[in-house]
Amino acid sequence: AQKITQTQPGMFVQEKEAVTLDCTYDTSDPSYGLFWYKQPSSGEMIFLIYQGSYDQQNATEGRYSLNFQKARKSANLVISASQLGDSAMYFCAMREPYSGGGADGLTFGKGTHLIIQP
Amino acid sequence: EAGVAQSPRYKIIEKRQSVAFWCNPISGHATLYWYQQILGQGPKLLIQFQNNGVVDDSQLPKDRFSAERLKGVDSTLKIQPAKLEDSAVYLCASSLASREETQYFGPGTRLLVL
Repeated sequence: AQKITQTQPGMFVQEKEAVTLDCTYDTSDPSYGLFWYKQPSSGEMIFLIYQGSYDQQNATEGRYSLNFQKARKSANLVISASQLGDSAMYFCAMREPYSGGGADGLTFGKGTHLIIQP
Repeated sequence: EAGVAQSPRYKIIEKRQSVAFWCNPISGHATLYWYQQILGQGPKLLIQFQNNGVVDDSQLPKDRFSAERLKGVDSTLKIQPAKLEDSAVYLCASSLASREETQYFGPGTRLLVL
């Protein structure tokens, strides 16, 4: 079973509209971290936002917010007032619970290609 | 502050040849990661270093891939011999310490194996 599922391969959104990118995850451990990264065509992965499984409030960073629904294992990214520069691939990722030794590589979903139209 | 540096940015080789990628993490970052991103997929962790020691290499194809971080700073990832399915973007990332919130990624090396 996939640990991170992003069901939207691509999305077209009008500029200035809000957009929600879906992400569901699978883990049986209560301690984990969830991340969203943006990857423009240049290829670099840009960190957007982080949510810890024990965080009481949904994370926010400027125009980005994370709609964290723990019982549904959902961590959707919301971008408010979209801009042309938001066009990129967006990846949801999970850091597994600490298993000792410091291993904390991220497990990524397949991504959503977001295109903002003028 | 300078970001994660990688070189080369692009590499084209023929199958069965060798190739090496270089990564210089952000200054002071103890943890370094190599990820492989095949076209149309998310990155997959290959190996994680903490200083100059390997923390996790469970997904590294050790029959052909090797990586080192001898002085706990720069790292090299080598493929020998390369196969067609190794065509991918190889991303290096670093973080201040293990379990930090943010892993900072470099621009990646795009490898094409013909």
